[in-house]
Amino acid sequence: TQLLEQSPQFLSIQEGENLTVYCNSSSVFSSLQWYRQEPGEGPVLLVTVVTGGEVKKLKRLTFQFGDARKDSSLHITAAQPGDTGLYLCAGAGNSGGSNYKLTFGKGTLLTVNP
Amino acid sequence: DAGVIQSPRHEVTEMGQEVTLRCKPISGHNSLFWYRQTMMRGLELLIYFNNNVPIDDSGMPEDRFSAKMPNASFSTLKIQPSEPRDSAVYFCASSLRSRTDTQYFGPGTRLTVL
Repeated sequence: TQLLEQSPQFLSIQEGENLTVYCNSSSVFSSLQWYRQEPGEGPVLLVTVVTGGEVKKLKRLTFQFGDARKDSSLHITAAQPGDTGLYLCAGAGNSGGSNYKLTFGKGTLLTVNP
Repeated sequence: DAGVIQSPRHEVTEMGQEVTLRCKPISGHNSLFWYRQTMMRGLELLIYFNNNVPIDDSGMPEDRFSAKMPNASFSTLKIQPSEPRDSAVYFCASSLRSRTDTQYFGPGTRLTVL
């Protein structure tokens, strides 16, 4: 059973379009992180959200943590080809567990076509 | 500054052979993590070291897998004997403090067991 479910699994869009990807769980997390992974590379941390209802913006990327700290979303405005990659969410400290232990979703593979 | 360094980047071996993966964490980081990434299961934590001591090895698949951290700047993950189902990308990550959830990933080692 996957603790963190990401959707959609694959997403292919045209440059300039907006998109939202989701990360859902039945577990409560103390914090949730979003990573982007490019082919042949390791995941790179984009943002950490820790407070229920929190919204963080990183240029064209908007991250939201659900009020109950069980789910999160990533919205990209005016997507660019450079946004192409695998987007992973990872939860820490689920059910009171250790914060070092990250539970990863399987990711959303985003392709932005020029 | 150098990030996490892993070697080799690619490894192809035959079933039954011993495989050793290597990792150099970021200087000054005292926590080190080994992960495995597959299409089916996503990114999974194998083992976590803090100050060179294994803290959590509950993710290690079976006795064929072993990990060591002889000093603060080097860790190995060994598989003996290797099996085709071990084929995956193995990542090493390090973090500055034991309780932080900010981990920095290396580029990974792509292992293929024939």
